[in-house]
Amino acid sequence: AQRVTQPEKLLSVFKGAPVELKCNYSYSGSPELFWYVQYSRQRLQLLLRHISRESIKGFTADLNKGETSFHLKKPFAQEEDSAMYYCALSAGGTSYGKLTFGQGTILTVHP
Amino acid sequence: EAGVAQSPRYKIIEKRQSVAFWCNPISGHATLYWYQQILGQGPKLLIQFQNNGVVDDSQLPKDRFSAERLKGVDSTLKIQPAKLEDSAVYLCASSSLRSGKAKNIQYFGAGTRLSVL
Repeated sequence: AQRVTQPEKLLSVFKGAPVELKCNYSYSGSPELFWYVQYSRQRLQLLLRHISRESIKGFTADLNKGETSFHLKKPFAQEEDSAMYYCALSAGGTSYGKLTFGQGTILTVHP
Repeated sequence: EAGVAQSPRYKIIEKRQSVAFWCNPISGHATLYWYQQILGQGPKLLIQFQNNGVVDDSQLPKDRFSAERLKGVDSTLKIQPAKLEDSAVYLCASSSLRSGKAKNIQYFGAGTRLSVL
C-alpha cells in the first residue's frame, strides 16, 4: 500500500525567504506525484505534478526516487503563498488515478 | 469551463439520521471520486467511479455509506445512519484519464461540510 508523509503540519517564513515543504512517500512501483494547494476560501487545486517538470508560481518540485521524496521549493516566498499544501501520490495498475494524500502543511508567509 | 459542482455546502444532522450529497463533475470527465476529509487530515478516497462503474470502493464503510452514478454523470453519496465520527468535509473530484495534458489531474468541488451532532 502507498503512503505519503508530510512531516511539518505548520511552516512559517518571512516574505522573501526560501521555503521548502517536505514530502516523503512509500510505494513499490513508479508513482506519479502531485502538489495540491488550497488557498483560503478556495477549493483544492493542482499546483504542480512531477511529470510536467514545470515551475508554477515560482514553485518547483523534484522527484527523488532514491530518497522517495518530492519536496516543494520556492526561493523567495510571497505573502500570497500562504495556504494549505498537500502532497499526493497516484499509483499505477488498477489503482491508477486514485490519489493518496499526505496530512498537509499549512504555510504562513509573514510580511 | 464550469467546475465540479457540489451541494449542499453545509449540512447539520443528528446521529442516526440519513444524509445525501450530490456532485456534478466537469463535462466529459469519465472518472469521479468521493473523498472524506476529517479536520486536520488530508483527503481520503472513499470511492472511485469510471463512467457508471465502481473502480475502487475499498475504503468505503459499506455498512452505512453508499454511492451511485447511475448515468455516468452526476453522483450521490449517502450516509445512513450517520455517526458522530462521520463529521467531515466530503469532496467530489473528477478527472479525464484520456491522454493529453490534463490526464490524471483531479479537479475538486468546493465540498460539503457535514456536522453530526
